[in-house]
Amino acid sequence: QSVLTQPPSVSAAPGQKVSISCSGSTFNIGSKYVSWYQQLPRTVPKLLIYNNDKRPSGIPDRFSGSKSGTSATLGITGLQTGDEADYYCATWDNSLSAAVFGGGTKLTVL
Amino acid sequence: QLQLQESGPGLVKPSETLSLTCTVSGDSVVTTIYYWGWTRQRPGTGLEWIGGLMFSGRPYYNPSLQSRVTISVDTSKNQFSLSLRSMTAADTAIYYCQRGRMGEDWFDPWGQGTLVTVSS
Repeated sequence: QSVLTQPPSVSAAPGQKVSISCSGSTFNIGSKYVSWYQQLPRTVPKLLIYNNDKRPSGIPDRFSGSKSGTSATLGITGLQTGDEADYYCATWDNSLSAAVFGGGTKLTVL
Repeated sequence: QLQLQESGPGLVKPSETLSLTCTVSGDSVVTTIYYWGWTRQRPGTGLEWIGGLMFSGRPYYNPSLQSRVTISVDTSKNQFSLSLRSMTAADTAIYYCQRGRMGEDWFDPWGQGTLVTVSS
């Protein structure tokens, strides 16, 4: 059971927008940066968002991140079937002195 | 371009120690702004951070694994390693190595991952 809570699954139609939440506490999200990872089926996790809302080079601006208090959100607009993947949030937890991942959210593009 | 590559046995017997190595190419492990770590993914489950270590600092471990884990860095070989003792079937997983950013704790890049199965 992770200290970061994500919904197990979300779904939306192609072209639509979806948001994936990541809820934590003052020990982690509330005081540290959040990053997001995309794991396409049978592939290596890929960094999507870092430092709450920054996109690495090559990540389209359809992907966005935000943080408010002890929660973070990944937004994806203009959904494509190729976006079907598992998405994970991550941060550092000061009480554990360890990095932590959320349980992951499976995105289905209907 | 920085690349990480895991190496090690694909099969480990119960109670034995897993030893994995991550070879870093395209950059040096001697850096004060990044640290080097491991994450695993058990079959059908999510990502679990194992631990990380800067080349000259103290290691940080997942509390649930801390009693069995050692991560070390070999600057002469530009590699870092994972040792996980007393392996059980529950440790069967894909093990990924990655680079982490100090103070910001994002992970990039990742190695391709190596599947480790625990079985007699």
